Amino acid sequence: DVKVTQSSRYLVKRTGEKVFLECVQDMDHENMFWYRQDPGLGLRLIYFSYDVKMKEKGDIPEGYSVSREKKERFSLILESASTNQTSMYLCASSLPDRTLSYGYTFGSGTRLTVV
Amino acid sequence: GNSVTQMEGPVTLSEEAFLTINCTYTATGYPSLFWYVQYPGEGLQLLLKATKADDKGSNKGFEATYRKETTSFHLEKGSVQVSDSAVYFCALWERRALTFGSGTRLQVQP
Repeated sequence: DVKVTQSSRYLVKRTGEKVFLECVQDMDHENMFWYRQDPGLGLRLIYFSYDVKMKEKGDIPEGYSVSREKKERFSLILESASTNQTSMYLCASSLPDRTLSYGYTFGSGTRLTVV
Repeated sequence: GNSVTQMEGPVTLSEEAFLTINCTYTATGYPSLFWYVQYPGEGLQLLLKATKADDKGSNKGFEATYRKETTSFHLEKGSVQVSDSAVYFCALWERRALTFGSGTRLQVQP
């Protein structure tokens, strides 16, 4: 069964900490994505990557960075966590396809609370 | 830029009722359209999709038709079950990344 695995289901961090959220996929997908999910706002794109060592800003990149050193792993980094970054973070992957025929495969999410 | 607008929830229905969740979109070209479902405590799962105008996506009794003239992709099901209780997201794809709507929570009562 193909998977996108996010390392933590729940995480509690303090304001100002540097936080790493890890995502690993076993489907050999080129594309990987990080979204945050907030009630009433749906999913908003933070960063994405089409290939190893490649990254592009999404719609809300401020306060975040990413790393993709290997094809299967895409890390989201909160440089200095703040309370407004308390959210559910979702990782996804996909094949490079002009019409996205197979959609995204999502991980189960990491619920991050910053106190 | 691209955007997706969904009807606000929650939508509360009795079992076996007919479901419609409205979704309209704004895009510069010809996007692919999707419905994703999120069951409690889980990640998002692809429910159905349509890649061009007049295509109908279907899965698990759910259907949606890509209407270019009205820029819509409404989700329908003829008879909902308690197990359909979840949050439903409409989304569009146009070259870059999926753009999602705000989600609609469906609650089905026995």
